[in-house]
This record gives sequence, structure tokens and C-alpha cells, in this order.
Amino acid sequence: ETGVTQSPTHLIKTRGQQVTLRCSSQSGHNTVSWYQQALGQGPQFIFQYYREEENGRGNFPPRFSGLQFPNYSSELNVNALELDDSALYLCASSLGGSPLGTNNDKYFGPGTPLTEL
Amino acid sequence: DAKTTQPNSMESNEEEPVHLPCNHSTISGTDYIHWYRQLPSQGPEYVIHGLTSNVNNRMASLAIAEDRKSSTLILHRATLRDAAVYYCIRRTGTASKLTFGTGTRLQVTL
Repeated sequence: ETGVTQSPTHLIKTRGQQVTLRCSSQSGHNTVSWYQQALGQGPQFIFQYYREEENGRGNFPPRFSGLQFPNYSSELNVNALELDDSALYLCASSLGGSPLGTNNDKYFGPGTPLTEL
Repeated sequence: DAKTTQPNSMESNEEEPVHLPCNHSTISGTDYIHWYRQLPSQGPEYVIHGLTSNVNNRMASLAIAEDRKSSTLILHRATLRDAAVYYCIRRTGTASKLTFGTGTRLQVTL
């Protein structure tokens, strides 16, 4: 059983650029969610995809967008980067569609740190 | 409001038990309590969850107060590898997202 993997391992960009982060979910999982973690803070929910459809979104602007593919891997795209976007971006996979509290625990990847110069 | 309240930091000696408290006084009847931890330079890791009854697994125990307004994560014998930020999270209804606070930073010393 493979765990959650994320790429790239790190990213350095400048203001105004666009980035794409990728996530491969754990084998058998059909739900992927993305979180942003600023330094010294807890992760903040960006959005979630279940079977290729977005089914939840946090308080992030539309320039944060995503995709989920038929193999349940996912992308997070951020357009027009701002300095506040510097953070660790975490992907988590889970098995959706099961009753809450059973088999719905999230497995996180190691994250992609995004640094803006 | 999915707010929980935890101490910012705690310290423990190695091989001693650790009790990490969490206050969730506005919890509703269908909210589960989840605990995750984040080791340095890693993503969060699931620890344990429960609804009303106390729960045990290979990592920890979760004691939930009878009125469900607070809970305690118990590490029975802390090791240096348990040094991490521990997050107590209310998971509301069928919502799948996890609402993290700032957690408790646990330091374990020899």
C-alpha cells in the first residue's frame, strides 16, 4: 500500500506567477483535500474533491483552483501568486462515502513548501 | 463554530505518561473528536478519534468527559519520537474537512 505523495518537493516562485502542485492519493482512496499551512499555524482547509467533483471549499479566493483525475490524483493551481501564499501546501487522501467516524480518517502527504521571493 | 482550546505547549519526561487536554465546550451531539499530530517537517498524522466512549489504540488513549465538553489524549509512555504538535479537532456532522487550531507543542526530554 503506497502512501500519499506530493510533488514537487519544494518550489520557489515570484509574485504574480502561477504554480501547480500535484498529489497522488493513497491506494484505494477516492477523496483528496488540500490544506495551506503558514509558518507556526495549523493547516487551513482549501478545498476537497470526491470522485472528480469539488464537494467542499474553505475561505480561499477563486485563484486557488483544483482538479481531481479519474485515478483520484489531484492538482492544486494557484494563479497570480501573492506574498501571503508562501506556506506549506498539504494534500490529504481518504475514503469518502463511508459513515463519518469510520474509515474516513485522512492521510497526509509530506507537503510542498512554496517560497516566494 | 468548530473551535477547540488547547494549551500552547507542554513538556514531558521520556517514558512518563502524558495527558494532553482539549476543551470543546460548544460541541454538538453528533461531533466526533479527532486527534492528529504533526512531527517536524511532516504532514499531520491521524492519532485517534471518538464520540462518547473512551477509546484505545496502539498509539494512544482518548478519554472523553461525560458531558463531552472536554477530552484528554493520553500517551502512556512518551518517547522522544512523540515530540510533535498535537491537534484536537471537532469534526462536525458529515463535513469532511478538518478545522485545525494551533495545537499543543509537546516537548519530550530525557
